[in-house]
Amino acid sequence: QQPVQSPQAVILREGEDAVINCSSSKALYSVHWYRQKHGEAPVFLMILLKGGEQKGHEKISASFNEKKQQSSLYLTASQLSYSGTYFCGTGNNDMRFGAGTRLTVKP
Amino acid sequence: DAGVTQSPTHLIKTRGQQVTLRCSPKSGHDTVSWYQQALGQGPQFIFQYYEEEERQRGNFPDRFSGHQFPNYSSELNVNALLLGDSALYLCASSFRTLSNEQFFGPGTRLTVL
Repeated sequence: QQPVQSPQAVILREGEDAVINCSSSKALYSVHWYRQKHGEAPVFLMILLKGGEQKGHEKISASFNEKKQQSSLYLTASQLSYSGTYFCGTGNNDMRFGAGTRLTVKP
Repeated sequence: DAGVTQSPTHLIKTRGQQVTLRCSPKSGHDTVSWYQQALGQGPQFIFQYYEEEERQRGNFPDRFSGHQFPNYSSELNVNALLLGDSALYLCASSFRTLSNEQFFGPGTRLTVL
């Protein structure tokens, strides 16, 4: 079963913050986060393996709550380059992706 | 250090034909996963190869088959093509399991007419 992402889309101004959520009906052992720009392949952002683990990539960080079976991606002080579709992926050797969250950052 | 490479970049086929897509993993990676991505959707897992064997398979018919070679490169074969097979096919590589980073190739855009 694929994870559920929310929101489906978000529009920000440069410098604003955003949170993207990913939840699963199955127990989560790891969560991957990717960003995909139009016409390009998904780019790996980070992986979270342990409950409560938080990781960061530039001004992008993420948390992982095993009990709630969910992960959240935090984008701080967004830049134009953050625009794209963000996907979370869950699974061990059979990764299932959410439907994606389209993020648009405007000047 | 070359990343994940895929060939061809684009492909046009007609219904009923067969197609083979190729993937070379990132240096140091031994696991290859294949995904199908339709326009506006997230990647859908097709299968994963490790040690030259199919380790996991998603919800795809037997028309989709694959192979992994001793050098870890991989092929995806699709037989009896349908219009609905038109999509971006992505290959991704990782080391051992998906508990490690996974890197995607640029993809092969398949159009079935």
